[in-house]
Amino acid sequence: AQSVTQPDIHITVSEGASLELRCNYSYGATPYLFWYVQSPGQGLQLLLKYFSGDTLVQGIKGFEAEFKRSQSSFNLRKPSVHWSDAAEYFCAVGAMDSSYKLIFGSGTRLLVRP
Amino acid sequence: GAVVSQHPSRVICKSGTSVKIECRSLDFQATTMFWYRQFPKKSLMLMATSNEGSKATYEQGVEKDKFLINHASLTLSTLTVTSAHPEDSSFYICSARQGPNYNEQFFGPGTRLTVL
Repeated sequence: AQSVTQPDIHITVSEGASLELRCNYSYGATPYLFWYVQSPGQGLQLLLKYFSGDTLVQGIKGFEAEFKRSQSSFNLRKPSVHWSDAAEYFCAVGAMDSSYKLIFGSGTRLLVRP
Repeated sequence: GAVVSQHPSRVICKSGTSVKIECRSLDFQATTMFWYRQFPKKSLMLMATSNEGSKATYEQGVEKDKFLINHASLTLSTLTVTSAHPEDSSFYICSARQGPNYNEQFFGPGTRLTVL
């Protein structure tokens, strides 16, 4: 069965510092991979997605993610974090069957120190 | 484009009453809509998949008679929480998928349900 692991429940970084949020997935074939951000009390906003092609994916708000098949990872990065980036981040993998379901990781809460 | 709305954004109801939550795709036709439940500080749990004109497909452990889903048109799906109880209090989020090719899901802003 497909699964997504986000090993870090919380991460705190200083404003201006770099960020990497980890995501590992379990799936036999090349999955569809997504990163979403959720601000408190809000729905989810898509940051970026990977379907195929270039393994380094650029997203909105200066985020990028790299698909590494050998490590079954899709880590999210940002070179310089802004205070407004404080939020909950979810990694998700898309089902490859006709259901089109998304399987979400448990999320990582990002706190930004001034 | 690809905007999904939910109504209401927040609802408080008494135990035993039923509550209907609407999910609309505003600028596209959604062949499939999904309903998620999110507990505080937790991830999203898929409750059911809703296809226009057919019965919803519920995930294991989700009570079909408790959470009624109707997908009457390509732009509207509704979730009705029947005979709500305090344990049904949660954040309910819908998403919609543009068809027919696979695309990402577009999420609504969520509905906060509080059952007293």
